[in-house]
Amino acid sequence: GAGVSQSPSNKVTEKGKDVELRCDPISGHTALYWYRQSLGQGLEFLIYFQGNSAPDKSGLPSDRFSAERTGGSVSTLTIQRTQQEDSAVYLCASSLRPGGAPPANIQYFGAGTRLSVL
Amino acid sequence: RKEVEQDPGPFNVPEGATVAFNCTYSNSASQSFFWYRQDCRKEPKLLMSVYSSGNEDGRFTAQLNRASQYISLLIRDSKLSDSATYLCVVNDYKLSFGAGTTVTVRA
Repeated sequence: GAGVSQSPSNKVTEKGKDVELRCDPISGHTALYWYRQSLGQGLEFLIYFQGNSAPDKSGLPSDRFSAERTGGSVSTLTIQRTQQEDSAVYLCASSLRPGGAPPANIQYFGAGTRLSVL
Repeated sequence: RKEVEQDPGPFNVPEGATVAFNCTYSNSASQSFFWYRQDCRKEPKLLMSVYSSGNEDGRFTAQLNRASQYISLLIRDSKLSDSATYLCVVNDYKLSFGAGTTVTVRA
């Protein structure tokens, strides 16, 4: 089926505004992840959802960041009161299940949302 | 210490050459490792999983040394299309990425 789908592909916003980024994982994948890649930086983990378990929010950089996953499928990452340092590519990934061994734990990435905060 | 440290390169090699590079990881309990490839302004894409015994996929060979906690990738007979950034990844349910090794294959 289709891969991981993210929208919008690009988002330009003004400092202080809220933004919502959407991720639609691969059908049947129980695990969903958000990562961020800032210009010239490596990818950093933000948050992880697995089934109905409480999400692992350990990577969220501040309380302005939140995410939810409705019905075990689509996820929304929300950034409130955006700052210029939030400018980055936000990548979503999904896997059949977390941990364990390949191929089930292989994470597939969406094309990302490029966020620019002016 | 970073969770995954990777030789940043860049490696600039002619077509047909062999290029190899490594990464090291800090968590001795980590069990699952991958190499991803990332093209400019694109998302990371899985290149290959890395297994303890070492594994090969066409022109690509990956090795894992658990005792020394390092992972290597070797590319034989380099093609222009191999030009990319190669990401060393440790999967402890969440992925920890190296900063990437840039490889440029020139004609």
